[in-house]
Amino acid sequence: DSGVTQTPKHLITATGQRVTLRCSPRSGDLSVYWYQQSLDQGLQFLIQYYNGEERAKGNILERFSAQQFPDLHSELNLSSLELGDSALYFCASSVAPDLGNTIYFGEGSWLTVV
Amino acid sequence: DAKTTQPPSMDCAEGRAANLPCNHSTISGNEYVYWYRQIHSQGPQYIIHGLKNNETNEMASLIITEDRKSSTLILPHATLRDTAVYYCIVTNNDMRFGAGTRLTVKP
Repeated sequence: DSGVTQTPKHLITATGQRVTLRCSPRSGDLSVYWYQQSLDQGLQFLIQYYNGEERAKGNILERFSAQQFPDLHSELNLSSLELGDSALYFCASSVAPDLGNTIYFGEGSWLTVV
Repeated sequence: DAKTTQPPSMDCAEGRAANLPCNHSTISGNEYVYWYRQIHSQGPQYIIHGLKNNETNEMASLIITEDRKSSTLILPHATLRDTAVYYCIVTNNDMRFGAGTRLTVKP
């Protein structure tokens, strides 16, 4: 158990809908990362937050947005869902985005768009 | 741009050492080398990381060449449970994963 908690574990929704994935980082971690992994695809970095502020942005679509709240939990919002958005979404956290800090991953949220 | 190059797949006999190579010829002075693995569709698991010196922990050893342009992850006694995709990442902040090496440990 990495200490990173993601909910829900599984989610099935229809095209065009909107969903929110939630992440609670490890106790004491200030930085949160989001990744997408499609079937048989690699891990794609989406976005990173540090202490509530966006720190780095990767291949995140405009239909997707994220935020980190004052209690440090984070949410990834996916809207106007398409079939291709079906994937495993991982959250990870680290103490800080500084050099040498290890990031730890949650077990992911499976999203199926039908 | 890919910062690392890893073989797409490798096999290893159970009980033998698994040596996974990684090339990172464009590594910068402040970038670390990290190794993670992903077993099936579980969350990636941290293995080890280093900057310049060789490192060892309870899971593995990391050997970094003197010029830091390549490294090797060593699993000293591979078991069937070590079958996974292993990712080598060079970073000074965000973790961006490549395709990794699919290691299959065979009985």
